[in-house]
Amino acid sequence: SQQGEEDPQALSIQEGENATMNCSYKTSINNLQWYRQNSGRGLVHLILIRSNEREKHSGRLRVTLDTSKKSSSLLITASRAADTASYFCAPMDTGRRALTFGSGTRLQVQP
Amino acid sequence: DVKVTQSSRYLVKRTGEKVFLECVQDMDHENMFWYRQDPGLGLRLIYFSYDVKMKEKGDIPEGYSVSREKKERFSLILESASTNQTSMYLCASRGGVYSNQPQHFGDGTRLSIL
Repeated sequence: SQQGEEDPQALSIQEGENATMNCSYKTSINNLQWYRQNSGRGLVHLILIRSNEREKHSGRLRVTLDTSKKSSSLLITASRAADTASYFCAPMDTGRRALTFGSGTRLQVQP
Repeated sequence: DVKVTQSSRYLVKRTGEKVFLECVQDMDHENMFWYRQDPGLGLRLIYFSYDVKMKEKGDIPEGYSVSREKKERFSLILESASTNQTSMYLCASRGGVYSNQPQHFGDGTRLSIL
């Protein structure tokens, strides 16, 4: 089963800076989803981008998708200490029912 | 808002015990999932169910079984717990069949097998 691979594994920035996380996957997808996980909690859905979309925005989040390169990126603008969390991408394979996840990117935003 | 509730946040059991982890969702979702999360390994899919009494193996089903007798409830069973099953277990649910819908997660059960 396919899972996304996030890069970098860890990222430390100052409050107010932008954070960019990347995701690569291997096969054709129906959509790609990004999730956040605060320490010791479950995952929270952030944004879903369909395979025929190239860019999507939600508040301070911007997601891009390049199906020719099989990659996606998540940009968090003007980061806050509360954005400190792990971020996961989850490509949804065509015809599959379940998402699979990689190890995520651990983001630390220093106040 | 969708609510996915896992019965315990923390659980300690002994090797050889039969362990039940319970998950309930309140949105009439067809699909329910069990994952385990370990440092450095990310989330791995154990089992999922797309309808009552239906189940499919995920990537790591060995040592586990599941039960879905009612649509809102999905149970993960460790038939004979072993120390390598110490982990964080996450339940999720999703509406639709092959749908562009997000998965909604519970807060997890941190299970320790001694």
